Amino acid sequence: AQKVTQAQTEISVVEKEDVTLDCVYETRDTTYYLFWYKQPPSGELVFLIRRNSFDEQNEISGRYSWNFQKSTSSFNFTITASQVVDSAVYFCALKLSNFGNEKLTFGTGTRLTIIP
Amino acid sequence: NAGVTQTPKFQVLKTGQSMTLQCAQDMNHEYMSWYRQDPGMGLRLIHYSVGAGITDQGEVPNGYNVSRSTTEDFPLRLLSAAPSQTSVYFCASRLDNSPLHFGNGTRLTVT
Repeated sequence: AQKVTQAQTEISVVEKEDVTLDCVYETRDTTYYLFWYKQPPSGELVFLIRRNSFDEQNEISGRYSWNFQKSTSSFNFTITASQVVDSAVYFCALKLSNFGNEKLTFGTGTRLTIIP
Repeated sequence: NAGVTQTPKFQVLKTGQSMTLQCAQDMNHEYMSWYRQDPGMGLRLIHYSVGAGITDQGEVPNGYNVSRSTTEDFPLRLLSAAPSQTSVYFCASRLDNSPLHFGNGTRLTVT
């Protein structure tokens, strides 16, 4: 069975600080996808990134960066120079790659509050 | 494109009542699914469909029915609502190997 752990339930940082959201996953499969979704106060789920298990290259998109390490089964998300608009609940998720497997296993989320 | 559209946005039911949560997508996506979001539990898969006429159970299917008569629509039916079904429900869709696109959610309260 798959499992995603987001140990940080809530984080608060002052605006412009950097913040890292942790994600640790468990699976016995060798092919899978990892995701991050953002849920702002308005409630919708916004896709941020998907990473294939074969691709451990880190990714940067503006102020966002992701660090994927298979050796520690982690897929951490860093926001640089945080802004108030980054306040949201962030979910990490895992999906196996095999055909017919539609289940996205979510972590319990990290509520990030950026203090102006 | 409107994306994934869910109706209604809010609903209050009494125990034992039935209702259907609607989900429609206009992106010609093959895969559609329903998740529920509960505090402290993340999102859990209820039912999913890999194409018109094909549905299957997810992680928490009890108390819910689905059907997929067209590519566009994937309604979720509660036949006899229970307080344990109080939750926020999200419909999602995807094409081939793309990430899931989620609707804006339906907040359901069962009293």
